[in-house]
Amino acid sequence: QQQVKQSPQSLIVQKGGISIINCAYENTAFDYFPWYQQFPGKGPALLIAIRPDVSEKKEGRFTISFNKSAKQFSLHIMDSQPGDSATYFCAPGSTDKLIFGTGTRLQVFP
Amino acid sequence: NAGVTQTPKFRILKIGQSMTLQCTQDMNHNYMYWYRQDPGMGLKLIYYSVGAGITDKGEVPNGYNVSRSTTEDFPLRLELAAPSQTSVYFCASSYSRQGTGELFFGEGSRLTVL
Repeated sequence: QQQVKQSPQSLIVQKGGISIINCAYENTAFDYFPWYQQFPGKGPALLIAIRPDVSEKKEGRFTISFNKSAKQFSLHIMDSQPGDSATYFCAPGSTDKLIFGTGTRLQVFP
Repeated sequence: NAGVTQTPKFRILKIGQSMTLQCTQDMNHNYMYWYRQDPGMGLKLIYYSVGAGITDKGEVPNGYNVSRSTTEDFPLRLELAAPSQTSVYFCASSYSRQGTGELFFGEGSRLTVL
């Protein structure tokens, strides 16, 4: 139960549009669901995270939606900006275990 | 304001050579990690430490070694470098155990083995 599937692999969005990235996991013991953002030449940085006691969390233009029964969570970026162009990783986990997805490269064009 | 600092940023090694990637953090975090990132593969955990003097293997430890003599430093040793170790290496630290809270990453060390 280690597998994490992230989709899509790449995403091209027009400025002002909505970007949606999905993450499916298998391990029902996971209780921490973060998204990391990585710019070229930099290390990943925590963008937003959710615990399973809520179904949605919003921070500015970024929202996590969590579906426990489907074992999926997604990242929504509203009003996408060129500065959002980066690679995004989901990394669901529990104590002493964190499994990174394979990443989604987002490109936002003006 | 330094956070997690890694050196060197770039290194080219010949097959069979050895080297150490340095990592230091100034946030007084007990938990430190080494990950490798390969294209299209996400991040894989190599080794981690829950405090000074305590280390444990992650998902892909073969060919690597670590030590943790202080809270601040967590060097990664590559013995007998192989082309399969060509990758970008990231050191990270956290206040709480991985899988429970935020990881703080360094900017990475890009290693090429020829």
